[in-house]
Amino acid sequence: GAVVSQHPSRVICKSGTSVKIECRSLDFQATTMFWYRQFPKQSLMLMATSNEGSKATYEQGVEKDKFLINHASLTLSTLTVTSAHPEDSSFYICSARVINEQFFGPGTRLTVL
Amino acid sequence: QKEVEQNSGPLSVPEGAIASLNCTYSDRGSQSFFWYRQYSGKSPELIMSIYSNGDKEDGRFTAQLNKASQYVSLLIRDSQPSDSATYLCAVPYFGNEKLTFGTGTRLTIIP
Repeated sequence: GAVVSQHPSRVICKSGTSVKIECRSLDFQATTMFWYRQFPKQSLMLMATSNEGSKATYEQGVEKDKFLINHASLTLSTLTVTSAHPEDSSFYICSARVINEQFFGPGTRLTVL
Repeated sequence: QKEVEQNSGPLSVPEGAIASLNCTYSDRGSQSFFWYRQYSGKSPELIMSIYSNGDKEDGRFTAQLNKASQYVSLLIRDSQPSDSATYLCAVPYFGNEKLTFGTGTRLTIIP
């Protein structure tokens, strides 16, 4: 299947700081990428759909000013968690769509102290 | 509301036996169906996709689709301890590129 990478894999930050997570499609171009969040022992929650060259579409209840998404190229989407707080601690996972299938990156575990 | 339902488990299966995972979906217009495997602490991995009624086999995995019954299943033959994981059923609803996930079935293979 298609390969999606994420960086960093793990980040620990202080409350109030901003954290940027990168999602890259390594062997294909992805016009659409998705960002998910997963809390322990819970299912995936879609946060937003990222389309190359246009504004992201956020799911209901997700603050677009807090979770900034940029999809500047066909191989890179970034998620910035602004002014992070402990409740933002979670596992953030991106995915990219290839024709009908979605492939997930390895995820970024964010811990906000 | 578009829904994907799975038995949450946990499902325990002896090593070497067949594990059967089930999923139902609410939208008759759905055209494609996916099974993902997620190990604890890891991201989901696509293991099967199915688009037509009937069976699709890939190694030890068989996906079965019945659109009339709005039912899709995953069979794992000769279950191995390494198959222990949470299995997620995912359906993109008709005309919608976003996936709707079931809550997942936690499978444990007992040596």
